[in-house]
Amino acid sequence: ETAVFQTPNYHVTQVGNEVSFNCKQTLGHDTMYWYKQDSKKLLKIMFSYNNKQLIVNETVPRRFSPQSSDKAHLNLRIKSVEPEDSAVYLCASSFDRYEQYFGPGTRLTVL
Amino acid sequence: AQSVTQPDARVTVSEGASLQLRCKYSYSATPYLFWYVQYPRQGLQLLLKYYSGDPVVQGVNSFEAEFSKSNSSFHLQKASVHWSDSAVYFCALSIGNSGTYQRFGTGTKLQVVP
Repeated sequence: ETAVFQTPNYHVTQVGNEVSFNCKQTLGHDTMYWYKQDSKKLLKIMFSYNNKQLIVNETVPRRFSPQSSDKAHLNLRIKSVEPEDSAVYLCASSFDRYEQYFGPGTRLTVL
Repeated sequence: AQSVTQPDARVTVSEGASLQLRCKYSYSATPYLFWYVQYPRQGLQLLLKYYSGDPVVQGVNSFEAEFSKSNSSFHLQKASVHWSDSAVYFCALSIGNSGTYQRFGTGTKLQVVP
């Protein structure tokens, strides 16, 4: 049963455009995450956020920014996408450092 | 430094055979360890977790894993694999306190052949 929802499933855009991805969790968790998964399936943490603290992976380019309205939502905005941003973006949530629940992912293709 | 190593990028086993997927971790404190599975075009799903206590933990679909502090390992095992077990498996280590994140291994792609 899906409890972490992501939209859209797929997005195709051109270099330089701005995109936003949405994530909502219905589990009542206190922490949400964004991961980037490349074509080799490698997972890279981008952000974690728990209403009190935003932790940003320092390797994430500044054109990426998280946006949260409440603890159930954590969106991802990319200003001026670049070809290397093509990947699957996975949203997840958890209680503190316990097991994470993942959404189905948003596949981004940058032309 | 905290890290998770999955030394096998690909593993092929015959249906009905036993399986072991290896995971080694590096962490100075008490580790919280996880195995996740990812089927094609899907997100990750939790298979099992270890927080403390009995070093052998049971998970879904008859998977189990054994925690070894002396070997810094958390290997995943299954007695008899099915073709539907073909997927990518990730070992993960939870690090830090509230608001921090899990560190994932590079994944092992499992192919179950007839």
